[in-house]
Amino acid sequence: EAQVTQNPRYLITVTGKKLTVTCSQNMNHEYMSWYRQDPGLGLRQIYYSMNVEVTDKGDVPEGYKVSRKEKRNFPLILESPSPNQTSLYFCASSFAQGYGYTFGSGTRLTVV
Amino acid sequence: AQSVTQLDSQVPVFEEAPVELRCNYSSSVSVYLFWYVQYPNQGLQLLLKYLSGSTLVESINGFEAEFNKSQTSFHLRKPSVHISDTAEYFCAVSSNAGGTSYGKLTFGQGTILTVHP
Repeated sequence: EAQVTQNPRYLITVTGKKLTVTCSQNMNHEYMSWYRQDPGLGLRQIYYSMNVEVTDKGDVPEGYKVSRKEKRNFPLILESPSPNQTSLYFCASSFAQGYGYTFGSGTRLTVV
Repeated sequence: AQSVTQLDSQVPVFEEAPVELRCNYSSSVSVYLFWYVQYPNQGLQLLLKYLSGSTLVESINGFEAEFNKSQTSFHLRKPSVHISDTAEYFCAVSSNAGGTSYGKLTFGQGTILTVHP
């Protein structure tokens, strides 16, 4: 089944403890992206990647890191999480511009 | 820079009534436009998209949207809604210019459509 897989689905952590949310797609897509969703703000793009080793900042990159060492994986790293990073996170991938992104099921992160 | 404004945060409607969810965008270059739907506790699903050509685009479940370049709008419509259409709907825009902007997809704030029996 073609899909974008994120792990974990739910995560509660403490301020300052480094964490990684994994994302993998099995569709051989070129583009991958991370979004955060907050009530009343819609989805805001954190980072995106056009191909292996090619990444660019979205609208809210502060406090996040990404890497694209393999085409299928695009992990999101929070080096020192803070409570304002409590959110619902989505990973997405796309074959090419204009095809639209396919989204994962989401990761609900709580930072206390 | 590009942006999207969804003019209604919530739209209540009765079953079988028509509905319109409004979306306006801003961009300095030509754009692709999308509507996504998010059912409760799920990820987003692509509903329909405008890339070029005919300004009226349709989805398989009866929704349609019309690209209006002069008014920079991409409103979503359905002539008769069902209870199962209850969800949050997001309008999104991306540039079709070159460079790294290809991957940038900007969403609106979302419109919650609630269909009442």
